[in-house]
Parts: sequence; C-alpha cells; structure tokens
Amino acid sequence: GQSLEQPSEVTAVEGAIVQINCTYQTSGFYGLSWYQQHDGGAPTFLSYNALDGLEETGRFSSFLSRSDSYGYLLLQELQMKDSASYFCAVMGGQNFVFGPGTRLSVLP
Amino acid sequence: DSGVTQTPKHLITATGQRVTLRCSPRSGDLSVYWYQQSLDQGLQFLIHYYNGEERAKGNILERFSAQQFPDLHSELNLSSLELGDSALYFCASSLLAGGDEQFFGPGTRLTVL
Repeated sequence: GQSLEQPSEVTAVEGAIVQINCTYQTSGFYGLSWYQQHDGGAPTFLSYNALDGLEETGRFSSFLSRSDSYGYLLLQELQMKDSASYFCAVMGGQNFVFGPGTRLSVLP
Repeated sequence: DSGVTQTPKHLITATGQRVTLRCSPRSGDLSVYWYQQSLDQGLQFLIHYYNGEERAKGNILERFSAQQFPDLHSELNLSSLELGDSALYFCASSLLAGGDEQFFGPGTRLTVL
C-alpha cells in the first residue's frame, strides 16, 4: 500500500519561513508533488520533485530525498494569503496518493 | 482559472439515485483524473484516463464508473447513491500520463439526502 504523513497544522507569522514535512511509503514512486488548497477552492499545483534536491519557484521551494522517502515544502516571506491547506502527493504510476494535508495559518 | 471545467457546480439528490458528473480538461491535455474529497478529508484518487483509455484505478466503488470520450471530456457516473457519497468531486487534467502537474477543476459538490 501507499501512505503519506504530514503535520496536521502549522502556525506562523507574516514574513516568517515555514517548512512542511512529508514522509511517504509507497510501492511505486515517480515523484512528489505539492498542492495548495484554500477553503472552498480547488487544489492548485505548486511544485514537483522527481529527483533528489531542492526546486525553487519564487517564495516556495520543495525538497526531495528519495533514499529517506522524505520531502518538504518551504514557504518564505509568508503572507496572509498563504493561509491554506497544503498537500503532498505521490505520483506512483498506477496510483496518485495525496497526504492528509497540513493546515497553515499565517498570523499578522 | 485552471482551464478545467466541471458541471454541475452543485448537485442535490436522494439516496438510491444515479447522477453523472461532467469534466472538460484543459485544451491539449490528454489525461483526466477523478478525486473525491469528503468534509475535512484529503483527496482520494478514484480513476485516471489517458487519451480515452483507463490507466489506473484507485479507491473507486463498484457503484461508480467513468469514461473518457473521443473529444477527451470525461464523465463520472455514481449510482445507488448513499449518504456517505456526499462529497466534493474534483476532476483534474494533465498533458501526459505521469500525473506530475495536474490542473484541477472547480469541483462538483454532491449532497445526498
């Protein structure tokens, strides 16, 4: 089977940096994706890592270590609009498994 | 706007009924994925179609079925509906079959009474 673990909630203040971790167990692995979902909205793609290392896209960065079955999403210069749920997801070829989500609250 | 459209936006029906949810992928995308999201739950993968053919099945009930048509739009059919089927149903699309970057539609909120 496949399973992903991520913290259920994270709280930070505006302007800060926050890291959301994700560990996974999977029988097949192509890569790790991250999605953002605001309340009442649809998930929005943030990043995808197929190889080990750090991918940077603006204020967001994502890291993957395949040997550790671990990845993280790093959000810098937090803004109020970053308050949302963040999901990691394993793209495993025959299955697409999303983690339970991390609710990020950004405080003023 | 992701370019993925879903209809209807809301659907209210009774137990035992059958409904059809429709999805049009982004122009040029060949893959369509269906997901179910229950209240305060994560996204459960249901099924994946690529260029008209079923590629992968997730936690899809036997009462549910789907298909992708030659024009690449997709329909998800839910039958013998139960109260527990009430959820948000998302369709997503991607250019290829790897699923790495998926574009989600706005979802269909199904309420079964």
